[in-house]
Amino acid sequence: GNSVTQMEGPVTLSEEAFLTINCTYTATGYPSLFWYVQYPGEGLQLLLKATKADDKGSNKGFEATYRKETTSFHLEKGSVQVSDSAVYFCALSSPYTGGFKTIFGAGTRLFVKA
Amino acid sequence: GAGVSQSPSNKVTEKGKDVELRCDPISGHTALYWYRQSLGQGLEFLIYFQGNSAPDKSGLPSDRFSAERTGGSVSTLTIQRTQQEDSAVYLCASSQTPGQTGNTIYFGEGSWLTVV
Repeated sequence: GNSVTQMEGPVTLSEEAFLTINCTYTATGYPSLFWYVQYPGEGLQLLLKATKADDKGSNKGFEATYRKETTSFHLEKGSVQVSDSAVYFCALSSPYTGGFKTIFGAGTRLFVKA
Repeated sequence: GAGVSQSPSNKVTEKGKDVELRCDPISGHTALYWYRQSLGQGLEFLIYFQGNSAPDKSGLPSDRFSAERTGGSVSTLTIQRTQQEDSAVYLCASSQTPGQTGNTIYFGEGSWLTVV
C-alpha cells in the first residue's frame, strides 16, 4: 500500500540556518504530494504542494521538488526563523487508493533557537 | 461554512462511556476524513467518506469505533465504551473531489478527548 516516510525529529537549528526535512514515499499511480505544518496550539494547514513530477511547490520561503525518480519530496528552507518552529508533515494523495485518501508521515518537529 | 468546524473542542469522559464527535465540513466539499493524533504521534488515518459512503474504513482501530455521514455534509464519529488509550485529538478534514490540482485537504481545530 501507499506510505510516507519522513525523517525523525526533533530537529534543532539556530536562526538563519539551512533546513532540510527528508520525505520519501511509496505509491501506485501518480500521487500529489504535500507538506502540512502545525504551529504550536494551532491546527494543521497546508504549506505547499506539487501535483506532478518535477513540480516545485513553494511558500513562505519553503520549497520542495517532486522527484519521481527518487520518490522524494524533501522540504528545504534557506534561512529558518524562530517563527518556523512547528511540526511538519509530509503527505500524499492518490486517486488509486480506494478513494482519494491522503496519508501522512509521522511528522518532524522543528525547533529554531534565536 | 468558512472552515471545518468540529465539536466539542474538548471532552473529558469516564472510561466505559460512549462519546460522539461531530464534524461540519466546508460547504461543497464532498470528501471528509477523520484522523487521530495521539500525544507526540503523527496522524493516524481512521476513515474517509466520499459523499455519504465510506470506501475506506481500514483505519478504524476497533469495532468500538464507528462513523457516519448524512446528507453529504455533517459527520459523526462515535466511540463506544471508551478506553484510556482512546485519549487523543480527533481531527476532521474535508476536500473537494480532487482534480488535476491535487487533493488539498482542510483541517478543523480538532476535538481533544481525554478518557479518565
